[in-house]
Amino acid sequence: GQQVMQIPQYQHVQEGEDFTTYCNSSTTLSNIQWYKQRPGGHPVFLIQLVKSGEVKKQKRLTFQFGEAKKNSSLHITATQTTDVGTYFCAGQTGGFKTIFGAGTRLFVKA
Amino acid sequence: NAGVTQTPKFQVLKTGQSMTLQCAQDMNHEYMSWYRQDPGMGLRLIHYSVGAGITDQGEVPNGYNVSRSTTEDFPLRLLSAAPSQTSVYFCASRRVRNTGELFFGEGSRLTVL
Repeated sequence: GQQVMQIPQYQHVQEGEDFTTYCNSSTTLSNIQWYKQRPGGHPVFLIQLVKSGEVKKQKRLTFQFGEAKKNSSLHITATQTTDVGTYFCAGQTGGFKTIFGAGTRLFVKA
Repeated sequence: NAGVTQTPKFQVLKTGQSMTLQCAQDMNHEYMSWYRQDPGMGLRLIHYSVGAGITDQGEVPNGYNVSRSTTEDFPLRLLSAAPSQTSVYFCASRRVRNTGELFFGEGSRLTVL
């Protein structure tokens, strides 16, 4: 079945350092989404990528979708304490189901 | 506009008891789904629905039942709770069936003793 793998599981950074989380699928994805979950909260949608090789930016966040539509990454430049939380990728393979990766929990030390 | 509303927020059950987690959305979304979240395992899809009267299984459907009699409501039933069902449960919906942003409820924390 469809699987979405995400690494690393945890990342500790000093405030101001960069952060990247990677997502890989065993099958070709029709789209990939990224969500952020603050501690104790619920996942909140950040962005959706649909096209092969697509790159989107939101302020300090850069999202990429691989050429083969099987991998994606989220890069945060110059992390801030407000970036703390768990980042999830979630993919679809053309059907209705949205399958989530295990998430990367980001810790930022001031 | 309330969005996605889940009740209860917290529940403690004994093994073998039954209960229903409620989920309601007021955005006229076609698609609704249930996930469970366990440490280190992300969000795993339990069941989903693409419209009233239509449900299907996700990644971890065993031990759970769902129904979708209206567009707004998508309850999740545990017929005989087990300790392995201790988790945080999230309901999520989206406007169209096959793509787009998922809107999550605030979650229901369930403990089965």
